[in-house]
Amino acid sequence: DTEVTQTPKHLVMGMTNKKSLKCEQHMGHRAMYWYKQKAKKPPELMFVYSYEKLSINESVPSRFSPECPNSSLLNLHLHALQPEDSALYLCASSQEPGTDYGYTFGSGTRLTVV
Amino acid sequence: DQQVKQNSPSLSVQEGRISILNCDYTNSMFDYFLWYKKYPAEGPTFLISISSIKDKNEDGRFTVFLNKSAKHLSLHIVPSQPGDSAVYFCAASAVQSSGTYKYIFGTGTRLKVLA
Repeated sequence: DTEVTQTPKHLVMGMTNKKSLKCEQHMGHRAMYWYKQKAKKPPELMFVYSYEKLSINESVPSRFSPECPNSSLLNLHLHALQPEDSALYLCASSQEPGTDYGYTFGSGTRLTVV
Repeated sequence: DQQVKQNSPSLSVQEGRISILNCDYTNSMFDYFLWYKKYPAEGPTFLISISSIKDKNEDGRFTVFLNKSAKHLSLHIVPSQPGDSAVYFCAASAVQSSGTYKYIFGTGTRLKVLA
């Protein structure tokens, strides 16, 4: 298995809803990442988990809450989002949290906040 | 402040010719660089990387060149194929105080290879 699987592929949620994005990899990668990508913009890093511990939080608003239950899973819990949070949310993983390894990205979850 | 820039939003190249995609960066602390390809409705796919201790890395049809003094890197695709049509992102990384590396992506260049 050489993939990063993200579910759901599409999500529409209201501003008062609570939802979660899920990311799964079975490559034994020890670093996992959440990126946010708006249309015609580069992916922007949100969170980095290294060996299941949060190592980077790019000053993301608390309405986004990451969770790494185990080395294969990464969740992003969403609560009270705003319409401007609508974007493609990409999960990625790498073998180690270092530069010698490229990332494997998932296909993303396209989130629309209404 | 865009630390990694791809100044050409789009590029069209004839099949069989060379495609050259450029990327400039401002942070001299970046020590590792990568290129990613992205098709619509898919996540980015890792293509090729280069460490700051090298000035060239080759993998099949793809070659990345790094000019540290100019803070510039380029991706050459030879020969270009229609299947190469995609958005290409360069990314640069530097170690953070936590010991983790963080990648910053450029804005992307949409390559179209014409048959």
